[in-house]
Amino acid sequence: DVVVTQTPLSLPVSFGDQVSISCRSSQSLANSYGNTYLSWYLHKPGQSPQLLIYGISNRFSGVPDRFSGSGSGTDFTLKISTIKPEDLGMYYCLQGTHQYTFGGGTKLEIK
Amino acid sequence: EVQLQQSGAELVRPGALVKLSCKASGFNIKDYYMHWVKQRPEQGLEWIGWIDPENGNTIYDPKFQGKASITADTSSNTAYLQLSSLTSEDTAVYYCAREGYGSSYNYWGQGTTLTVSS
Repeated sequence: DVVVTQTPLSLPVSFGDQVSISCRSSQSLANSYGNTYLSWYLHKPGQSPQLLIYGISNRFSGVPDRFSGSGSGTDFTLKISTIKPEDLGMYYCLQGTHQYTFGGGTKLEIK
Repeated sequence: EVQLQQSGAELVRPGALVKLSCKASGFNIKDYYMHWVKQRPEQGLEWIGWIDPENGNTIYDPKFQGKASITADTSSNTAYLQLSSLTSEDTAVYYCAREGYGSSYNYWGQGTTLTVSS
């Protein structure tokens, strides 16, 4: 089974900060066709998760460009620049190459 | 507009069986894999499995084999999640989601809260 590890577990921030969240997989997420199925989600309390990034670095429709994704193989990063109040919540990565596995989550919270 | 409307909250007894629904609008579920995700209180997200509504093929995370059964009714454009032999470990919010580009989940239902208690 693929294990997906997110760090840090908690990320205290101030508005306007830039932060990075790491997502590491126990196996390469590149398939035999060269596709890598790694996506990122924001889950706010009382709401459904919302897709931010798919295919490592593609922003979903309507997602602000302060969100960016990068990485390859087993190491991936979500970067958020100029954090705003609406960015607070739990962030999850999801690998969809070897069936599906969520990372454990990172809580973005105010300092 | 794409929407996934899930059934309401459930309170069920241990040992019982429950069937949750996820009615799609704005698209035909035959065209997309439909997934189910579990979130226990104060825990992270867990993938349960998916269904290809066009042919009924399903895949489950091994943890949910024997616990979960995913079906779909294309005539009503609805996906279902049935959970059996319920215990307190099944108390959670269950989400349905539509698979999009790059095996991501681009649309989610609002979630159904399941409470298992005597």
